[in-house]
Parts: sequence; structure tokens; C-alpha cells
Amino acid sequence: AQSVTQLDSQVPVFEEAPVELRCNYSSSVSVYLFWYVQYPNQGLQLLLKYLSGSTLVESINGFEAEFNKSQTSFHLRKPSVHISDTAEYFCAVIRQGAQKLVFGQGTRLTINP
Amino acid sequence: EPEVTQTPSHQVTQMGQEVILRCVPISNHLYFYWYRQILGQKVEFLVSFYNNEISEKSEIFDDQFSVERPDGSNFTLKIRSTKLEDSAMYFCASTGTAQAADTQYFGPGTRLTVL
Repeated sequence: AQSVTQLDSQVPVFEEAPVELRCNYSSSVSVYLFWYVQYPNQGLQLLLKYLSGSTLVESINGFEAEFNKSQTSFHLRKPSVHISDTAEYFCAVIRQGAQKLVFGQGTRLTINP
Repeated sequence: EPEVTQTPSHQVTQMGQEVILRCVPISNHLYFYWYRQILGQKVEFLVSFYNNEISEKSEIFDDQFSVERPDGSNFTLKIRSTKLEDSAMYFCASTGTAQAADTQYFGPGTRLTVL
């Protein structure tokens, strides 16, 4: 079975500061990794995903995540956050060949002006 | 951009009542899912559905739950006799293929409150 841990339930940062949201996973088989974002009153939207190849993946709005197999981590980073990044961020994994996403508990990112 | 829609956004019901949560997946998608998130807990998989059959279900998805694609556009989750612990946000999702790498597109959710 797979499991995902997001160590921080809430992360407050100031606007234009860097941020890292941590995600660790556990799986005995190969998985794909995802970050989803949920803006207030909206559904979960895919931010980025790692399938294979380069361990660093980027989103169109400046977020990036690095897959680290040895540390079983997939931390999400952004060098300079904006007020509009205020949202809840979910890390998720899916076993190759499966259809069930396994989610972490989410991290609420709050940006202060 | 195509999106998954869900109705209602908020449903309040009495314990023991039946509820039907509705979803309209992206039009050319063939694989459909329900997840739920109890307040303060993780988003949990309930069921996946393809070709009018359940392809996988979790242990949460017991006999009180059922899913149906009643027509070419809707995908529904029915809870026959709601319990207090069914109170949660329910998310519908869809994909175009069965590939694990394929992105699951989520709706905005239905908040179910059981009194």
C-alpha cells in the first residue's frame, strides 16, 4: 500500500518570500507523483506531476518539485510567492497500473502582504 | 477549458435519508471516480467506474453506497441511508484513459452535512 505524509498542515509566508511544502511518500512499488492545488471554493487542480525522466518538474505559475527517490520525497518549492498562491496544496501518489490516487493531508499556504 | 461540474454545492440531510450527489465529467472522458474528504482528514478514494461497472472500490464503499451513469453525461453517487460520519466533501473526478499517469480532473465538490 502507498501512503503520503505532508508534515506541515499550515505554512504562513510573506509575499515575495520563498516557500517549500514538504511531501514524503511510502511505497514498495513504483509510483507517479502529483501536486494538486485547491483555491478557495474550487476543486482540486493539477499543479504538476512526475512520471519519469528529469527529477525536476515545473508548473506554468513558477512552482517546481523535485523527485528524490532515495529520500522518497517530492517537495514543492517556489522562489517568490504571490498573494494569489494562497490555497491548499495536496501531494498525491498513484501506483503504476492503478487508478486510485492516495493523498496527503494537505498544506494550507497563507501569503501575508 | 473543459471542467468537471458537481451539484449541489452543499447538501444538508437528516440521518437515515437517501442522498444523490451528481457529477458531470468532462465530455470525452470514460473513467470516473469519487473521492471524499472528511473535515480535517485526507482526501480518500471511494470508487472508480468504467463502462458501466465499478472497476475498483475502497473498504469505505460499502453496501450503503452505489454509483450510476444514468445517461451519457451524468455520474451519480447515492448514499442509501446516511450516517453522521458520512458528512464530508465529496469530489468527482474523470480521466480519458485508464493510465495511472493520466491526470484526474476534479470537480469543485459537494459538501454533505448529515444532521
